[in-house]
Amino acid sequence: DGGITQSPKYLFRKEGQNVTLSCEQNLNHDAMYWYRQDPGQGLRLIYYSQIVNDFQKGDIAEGYSVSREKKESFPLTVTSAQKNPTAFYLCASSRTMNTEAFFGQGTRLTVV
Amino acid sequence: QQQVKQSPQSLIVQKGGIPIINCAYENTAFDYFPWYQQFPGKGPALLIAIRPDVSEKKEGRFTISFNKSAKQFSLHIMDSQPGDSATYFCAASSVGAGNMLTFGGGTRLMVKP
Repeated sequence: DGGITQSPKYLFRKEGQNVTLSCEQNLNHDAMYWYRQDPGQGLRLIYYSQIVNDFQKGDIAEGYSVSREKKESFPLTVTSAQKNPTAFYLCASSRTMNTEAFFGQGTRLTVV
Repeated sequence: QQQVKQSPQSLIVQKGGIPIINCAYENTAFDYFPWYQQFPGKGPALLIAIRPDVSEKKEGRFTISFNKSAKQFSLHIMDSQPGDSATYFCAASSVGAGNMLTFGGGTRLMVKP
């Protein structure tokens, strides 16, 4: 099955710890994205990547980091510098930057 | 800044009603307008999309109306069902200019039995 896989589905982190969220796609898409969604809110763009080894900051990149070493993988690290990391994180990919985006099922991160 | 403004933020209708969700955009270069449906705890999924060369597109009970001169587009859900209760996002992008997909703020729809 082609699609986007995010793991884990639920993640708990202690304050002060870094944590990495996984995102893998087998759609052969060039572009990948990370969004943050807070309860009852819209999608806010954290980082995006148009091609391998290249990525750009989105609207709320502070406290986050990404890498794009492989076309199919775009992991997101939530660092201890992110002041309010508890949220639902969504990864997406698209063939190009401006075409239909396909989303993963999300990772719910809770800081305890 | 490119923006897509979506309204209302929340909407409650009775079963069989026709909820209407509206979006307005500023960038006249936008030429692709998709709608996404998101159920709680899930990722958004593409519902229906329209290009500006048509004024209306129907897929099942879902219809997009597009008004290029007003820079507005809307989603209508005919004969709404409780299973349609979800959050709906509009979005826009411009294929030619290479602008990435920009999302509206979302509308939480509840369809009462």
